[in-house]
Amino acid sequence: GAVVSQHPSWVICKSGTSVKIECRSLDFQATTMFWYRQFPKQSLMLMATSNEGSKATYEQGVEKDKFLINHASLTLSTLTVTSAHPEDSSFYICSASPVGTNEKLFFGSGTQLSVL
Amino acid sequence: GEDVEQSLFLSVREGDSSVINCTYTDSSSTYLYWYKQEPGAGLQLLTYIFSNMDMKQDQRLTVLLNKKDKHLSLRIADTQTGDSAIYFCAERGSFQKLVFGTGTRLLVSP
Repeated sequence: GAVVSQHPSWVICKSGTSVKIECRSLDFQATTMFWYRQFPKQSLMLMATSNEGSKATYEQGVEKDKFLINHASLTLSTLTVTSAHPEDSSFYICSASPVGTNEKLFFGSGTQLSVL
Repeated sequence: GEDVEQSLFLSVREGDSSVINCTYTDSSSTYLYWYKQEPGAGLQLLTYIFSNMDMKQDQRLTVLLNKKDKHLSLRIADTQTGDSAIYFCAERGSFQKLVFGTGTRLLVSP
């Protein structure tokens, strides 16, 4: 199946710093990628839809200035958590759908962010 | 709005069949999915079904869809200890967005 690589797998940072998470589709192109957030023992909540070459679409309640998304190419989307706070600590997961296939969404392995 | 619900926990013995249930509210869903998540890992796509189908079988996995009742189930035959994980159903509605269920933790005992 298609592979979505997410990096880093885990990151620890100090409050006030920014953290960038990368999501790459390794063997396919994706015009659309999605970013999710998951709290311990909870379901995934969609944060934003990342569109190649255009601005991301954020879900209600998600601060676009805090969670910066860039989708510069058909294989890479990045999520930057700016001025991180402890409440931003969470598991972040991206997903991507291959161009030409409408039904399949593949997920990255996730990034565990801990803000001290 | 869209809502997807699952039972939280299921415990079975190795070799038995497991049935995980899911209900959803969005009647315009195009595809419905089952994902598996192991601790600290991302989601693995297990199978999916198009909304105009009522059954799909893939090796040990059988998906049943009752569109009238908005009910989806995943049956795992001959459940193994390696199947222990959290299983999420998800429905895909408008704008290709996935809405996930609450997840069912499956525990398989030897």
